[in-house]
Amino acid sequence: SYVLTQPPSVSVAPGKTARITCGGNNIGSKSVHWYQQKPGQAPVLVIYYDSDRPSGIPERFSGSNSGNTATLTISRVEAGDEADYYCQVWDSSSDHHWVFGGGTKLTVL
Amino acid sequence: EVQLVESGGGVVRPGGSLRLSCAASGFTFDDYDMSWVRQAPGKGLEWVSGINWNGGSTGYADSVKGRFTISRDNAKNSLYLQMKSLRAEDTALYHCARDKVGWFDPWGQGTLVTVSS
Repeated sequence: SYVLTQPPSVSVAPGKTARITCGGNNIGSKSVHWYQQKPGQAPVLVIYYDSDRPSGIPERFSGSNSGNTATLTISRVEAGDEADYYCQVWDSSSDHHWVFGGGTKLTVL
Repeated sequence: EVQLVESGGGVVRPGGSLRLSCAASGFTFDDYDMSWVRQAPGKGLEWVSGINWNGGSTGYADSVKGRFTISRDNAKNSLYLQMKSLRAEDTALYHCARDKVGWFDPWGQGTLVTVSS
């Protein structure tokens, strides 16, 4: 089965740039989607198709995907960005269909 | 407003059964595939099961295959998850989510399933 690897935690000061990685074998050949989940809330889609933003998601959120690593970048980080972030792909090579990374806790210092 | 509201969770003994429901509104339900995704307490997201727009194709995670059955009633704008032979490791918040060509948007708030003796 396809495995997505995320760092458990990332810390960043307000106003700085946070980068959250998602590693997977040749992930660059797949479409990666990212979700934000705040405590007690349902996940919210923040990036789809590697780098597209849904309506209502600030331009500060961007994504990239190449080789074995996809990256969610949050510019000018705000306190309200503190949350868990998950990457997700569709794995066509097995019956596992949709696969999530383990999640990254973003802490705003 | 697009909305998904889950129900049917509760406390059940190991080996027991439970049926979850998800009521959809604000969009044309039978235009979309749907999925169930769960989150164990303090843990990450795990895709559980998915169904295509007309119910003709379904998929399951290995962890639930043979025990869970996904279905939908497009006339009632509803998604279901029949869970049998429940185990302690099935304890989780179960979200339904609309599948938009490979990503999930939106998600419901979830219904909590606790498997405990």
